[in-house]
Amino acid sequence: DVKVTQSSRYLVKRTGEKVFLECVQDMDHENMFWYRQDPGLGLRLIYFSYDVKMKEKGDIPEGYSVSREKKERFSLILESASTNQTSMYLCASSLTDRKYQPQHFGDGTRLSIL
Amino acid sequence: QQQVKQSPQSLIVQKGGISIINCAYENTAFDYFPWYQQFPGKGPALLIAIRPDVSEKKEGRFTISFNKSAKQFSLHIMDSQPGDSATYFCAASAAGGTSYGKLTFGQGTILTVHP
Repeated sequence: DVKVTQSSRYLVKRTGEKVFLECVQDMDHENMFWYRQDPGLGLRLIYFSYDVKMKEKGDIPEGYSVSREKKERFSLILESASTNQTSMYLCASSLTDRKYQPQHFGDGTRLSIL
Repeated sequence: QQQVKQSPQSLIVQKGGISIINCAYENTAFDYFPWYQQFPGKGPALLIAIRPDVSEKKEGRFTISFNKSAKQFSLHIMDSQPGDSATYFCAASAAGGTSYGKLTFGQGTILTVHP
């Protein structure tokens, strides 16, 4: 089974802090994704990466950056946390070699910015 | 700009009933339509998916109906069970080119099945 592991289930930070969310997958997937989940808005794509050191903006990249130095690890960075970034953050991964590959999700990090 | 619109936002069904969740999309380049199921405290997991070359796909009690001309698709859960209580997301993807399997998700439907 594919396993996507997010380093923290719950995280509380203060406004202005630099926040790192870590995600690791164990199935050698090329693609990795970061989403935020908010009630009534569904899942919205922040950034994704299709290879090591490659990244592309999703639909809501403002205030975020990402890092992918190794294939299995994809980090989301909040440069200067703000209260409107309080949310559930989900990481996912998928294969690229065939069409219609499912995305496999971690269990999420609930981030609160005070 | 929400390219996939999902309704209803919440749904309550009695055990044994039929649950129906609807989605509509705008982008005609979408050619893959999965549904994800999410239980509390867990990440979403793929439930069932359809491509537009068929109008219906059934897996057990779960059926996707697809209407390409109307740009709509729906999830039907037959004989709904309390264990089906979860949040359901429809999604859409354009599989070609540089999409890298990116998904656009609907807003989600919280399904509660009463025993």
